[in-house]
Amino acid sequence: DADVTQTPRNRITKTGKRIMLECSQTKGHDRMYWYRQDPGLGLRLIYYSFDVKDINKGEISDGYSVSRQAQAKFSLSLESAIPNQTALYFCATARSSGNTIYFGEGSWLTVV
Amino acid sequence: AQKITQTQPGMFVQEKEAVTLDCTYDTSDPSYGLFWYKQPSSGEMIFLIYQGSYDQQNATEGRYSLNFQKARKSANLVISASQLGDSAMYFCAMSRVGGTSYGKLTFGQGTILTVHP
Repeated sequence: DADVTQTPRNRITKTGKRIMLECSQTKGHDRMYWYRQDPGLGLRLIYYSFDVKDINKGEISDGYSVSRQAQAKFSLSLESAIPNQTALYFCATARSSGNTIYFGEGSWLTVV
Repeated sequence: AQKITQTQPGMFVQEKEAVTLDCTYDTSDPSYGLFWYKQPSSGEMIFLIYQGSYDQQNATEGRYSLNFQKARKSANLVISASQLGDSAMYFCAMSRVGGTSYGKLTFGQGTILTVHP
């Protein structure tokens, strides 16, 4: 089983719909991140969290919200999806004292 | 601000040969980490290797090694004995180390590596 699990792996949704992407990890890491990748590009940071009570905006947070339900769970929501939010979304985890940042398998989201 | 530049949009290599993927970076932070990730066509992001700015030796992980030249601000990935399964997109990324910024990765545009039989 993957250490960083994202659900759903693939989703097609309609413009204006609310969609939630979930991430859970078994690595015991305190830090969790949501990134977005557009075709042919590198990743950009949407939100990040250092613990349950600490949520921070990243580079491209507009149109997104997050919830850190527990140390192991970090969810990303699109309150009203729009087509330019079509992308591959990654959850990542890290230990504050570590030197490796692990990614989930990615969630392909298409907004039509 | 941090910046990563990967100047090779695509690279080709013959199976069993070595290949170097270029990465240059720019940062004013004294403490930072450099990462390489592999992204196959299936989409997942696979961690390959890490180099800390204060590490004295170049990092190695199996067939992967990182040619770290701090003065030139370069962190090239060397893949030895290429395999067909190495065909993928490769990303160089960096993060500050320590404090609240660790894990906030800045990515390059990526290099597509194609391994020919």
